[in-house]
Parts: sequence; C-alpha cells; structure tokens
Amino acid sequence: DAKTTQPNSMESNEEEPVHLPCNHSTISGTDYIHWYRQLPSQGPEYVIHGLTSNVNNRMASLAIAEDRKSSTLILHRATLRDAAVYYCILRAAGSGNTGKLIFGQGTTLQVKP
Amino acid sequence: EAQVTQNPRYLITVTGKKLTVTCSQNMNHEYMSWYRQDPGLGLRQIYYSMNVEVTDKGDVPEGYKVSRKEKRNFPLILESPSPNQTSLYFCASSYRGLSGELFFGEGSRLTVL
Repeated sequence: DAKTTQPNSMESNEEEPVHLPCNHSTISGTDYIHWYRQLPSQGPEYVIHGLTSNVNNRMASLAIAEDRKSSTLILHRATLRDAAVYYCILRAAGSGNTGKLIFGQGTTLQVKP
Repeated sequence: EAQVTQNPRYLITVTGKKLTVTCSQNMNHEYMSWYRQDPGLGLRQIYYSMNVEVTDKGDVPEGYKVSRKEKRNFPLILESPSPNQTSLYFCASSYRGLSGELFFGEGSRLTVL
C-alpha cells in the first residue's frame, strides 16, 4: 500500500497563502491523491482530490507534480478557522481499490493572527 | 441531509463487557470503514467493507469485529474490550468509484476501565 509523507507541523500568518506538501514517491498510476482536514473535536472532512492535473475548488487548490511523486495543498488566504490537521492520502481507483487507506499523522497547521 | 451517524458518541465501560458502536449512512454508499485515532498515532484503519457481506482487515483489526448485513449499517463490535482499546473511533463511507470522497461521522469516544 502506497504511503505518504508530510511534515508534522507548519505555521502560517492569517490572510497569507499556505502551501502544505506531501510526498508519495510510491504512487501508482491509478492512485488518486486526496486531502482531508480535521478541525479540533471533529471528524475529518474532505478538502480536495486529483489524479494528474491541478485542481481548484472553493476550499483550496491542489498542485500535483508532473511525475506525481509529490503534491501540494494550497490555501490561498489562511484564516484562523483553517487551523487543523491536514491529511494527504492515496486512494486507488478501479481494480486497484482494495479499500485499505493509510492516513498517517498528517500536518498540524497553526494560523497566527 | 447526507450524513454518517455514529452511536454512542461517548461511552465509559469496563474490561470484558461486550459493546457495539453503530454506524449508519444515508447516502447509499458501497464503501464503509472504521478508524481509531490515538494521540501521536494519527488515524489508523481497523476494518473496511467494499459492499454488503464483504469486509476486510485494515491495519489494526485485533480485538474488533464488524459485520455488513445491510448497505447502510456497519457496526463495530468489541467482544471483550480492554483498556488499550480506549480511543476515539470514526466511521466513514464513500462511493466505491473514482471520486471516492470519504464522509466521516462525528466520532465515538470510548473509555475502557
């Protein structure tokens, strides 16, 4: 099962962009890159996902390296409500989808006012 | 409203007393999964189910059982709970397909004395 590697923690100032990195050097061709975040005292929530091309939604952007061995979650303007643990995981598609998911410890993002 | 519902949200029990944590989803999702979250260890997968009557072990299945008799329900059973199963538990569901966005419940905090 492919694993991801993320920094344990990062800090950001409010209203500045944040780039959260994730390494997934053993990614396979059918793995989708998913990002989730967990606010204090809540269950994880979906943020964004992608396969090869960069993706944007109302919450964030996902930049995927050309070789797909790394990706970056971009929060364009961090707010205090973005302080959370961010998880990068790989989810296999099609017949490769065994259902097994490895979350790891994620990156704890602190946002300073 | 689309949701994953877990019960109970909080439970204190004693060693050896069988308990069941229920999980129900109203989105007709094929895939369901259980995780436990412990300080410093992140989210670890216990069991998952790709569809009705199909279940498989995650990374930490010891001491747990699951069943998937209906699509909407995926209970987690602790036949003989022990103190090392004190943890925060999350249930999640998704479509099995490529989009695969996971929806998480609010969590069940279990204490085994």
